[in-house]
Parts: sequence; C-alpha cells; structure tokens
Amino acid sequence: QQQVKQSPQSLIVQKGGISIINCAYENTAFDYFPWYQQFPGKGPALLIAIRPDVSEKKEGRFTISFNKSAKQFSLHIMDSQPGDSATYFCAAGFQGAQKLVFGQGTRLTINP
Amino acid sequence: GAVVSQHPSWVICKSGTSVKIECRSLDFQATTMFWYRQFPKQSLMLMATSNEGSKATYEQGVEKDKFLINHASLTLSTLTVTSAHPEDSSFYICSAPGATYSYNEQFFGPGTRLTVL
Repeated sequence: QQQVKQSPQSLIVQKGGISIINCAYENTAFDYFPWYQQFPGKGPALLIAIRPDVSEKKEGRFTISFNKSAKQFSLHIMDSQPGDSATYFCAAGFQGAQKLVFGQGTRLTINP
Repeated sequence: GAVVSQHPSWVICKSGTSVKIECRSLDFQATTMFWYRQFPKQSLMLMATSNEGSKATYEQGVEKDKFLINHASLTLSTLTVTSAHPEDSSFYICSAPGATYSYNEQFFGPGTRLTVL
C-alpha cells in the first residue's frame, strides 16, 4: 500500500513535443504528490507538487494532472526541450510525517 | 530556496573501513533530515529519518548498527557507514524540509557517491 507505481520506465520525445509520465498509488491517506527532476550525479530537485484537493496545477511548461478517484497523477511537459532530458520521479507523502515514497523513475530523452 | 549541502561529494574507501557523510542545511534549521540510498538507474529508497537531539528512525531492513546516524545540531546530520563492503557502494542523498516550510516540501542535497573497493 506504500508503493507508488510510475510509468513508462523510459521515454523518448521529439523537441517541441509533449512528454507525459504517469503514476499510480494505493494508499488513499497520501495527501502530497511532488515531482522531482534528477540529472546524473546530482540530487533530485523539486519540480512541481500538488495536493489532492485540486485536479490540476500548472507552472510554466510543467503541469500535474490529478485524478483522486482513480488514484493516479501525471506530469505533462509541454514544448519539451533537450535540456529537459533527465530522470523524473513522482512521489507521495503524508502531511506532517514528511516522509516521501518515490516511484521507480522515468528516464526522459528529448531528441533535438 | 533552501539549500542542503553534502560532504564529501565522492569517496572511495577500502573494504572494512568506516566512512562518514555530512549533510548540512545551509540557510535554515532542520530538526528532521532524511537519508536515502540510490543504486544506479534505480529509485531513491528511504533509509532513515534523522531527528535532532534524539535517535534516528530506521526503515525496515536497514541495519542501524551499520548505518549510524547522528543529528547533533539543527543544521547537521551525519551518516557513518561502518565496516563498509562493496555492496554498500551507492549514491547517498539527504533531504530536509525547507525553511519556507510548505506542506512537506523537501530539499535534497547533491548526493555523495560511495565506492567501496
């Protein structure tokens, strides 16, 4: 119940295209859903996060869509750029506990 | 934004020796810090929760006698890998809730790559 399942494992998108990464969770007690971006040899960096009381959050080219009934959430990267090539992790957490459970990660490659 | 640093960024040691990794919150205080381990091309696995002034809380399957955690101040947590073996080679990352605390927002350090020969 603590797992967060992420797909796809890897993704190749042409420059200017839309990158979509999906995550699903089981535990309905999760109430915080962040996305992290990680470059090789670096720590993860927070990209965008959402709470379950909203269905969508947009920050620049990055959008989180959240479906509470389906227990799924996704990251959309619009106008994908080669600089977006990185590994993306979704995560889920509990308010106050601060602990995060991470998805398996998606290696995104944007072809120029 | 809040900044978390780690030292060293890379360490190589011989099997059987101990290695200490530091995690610092540079511009904020952190009563709690988290330690993760990440193997190549894999996700982050939470190892333990470091609590300032009290004992760390370890996740199931993590050997507390092997991975010693000390949270001596509000800005410093250390992870000591004791009697390291090649299977301990991994990328160790710490995190802390930021000073602009906003609903579990975590800031991660740059990571420490440990190679045990």
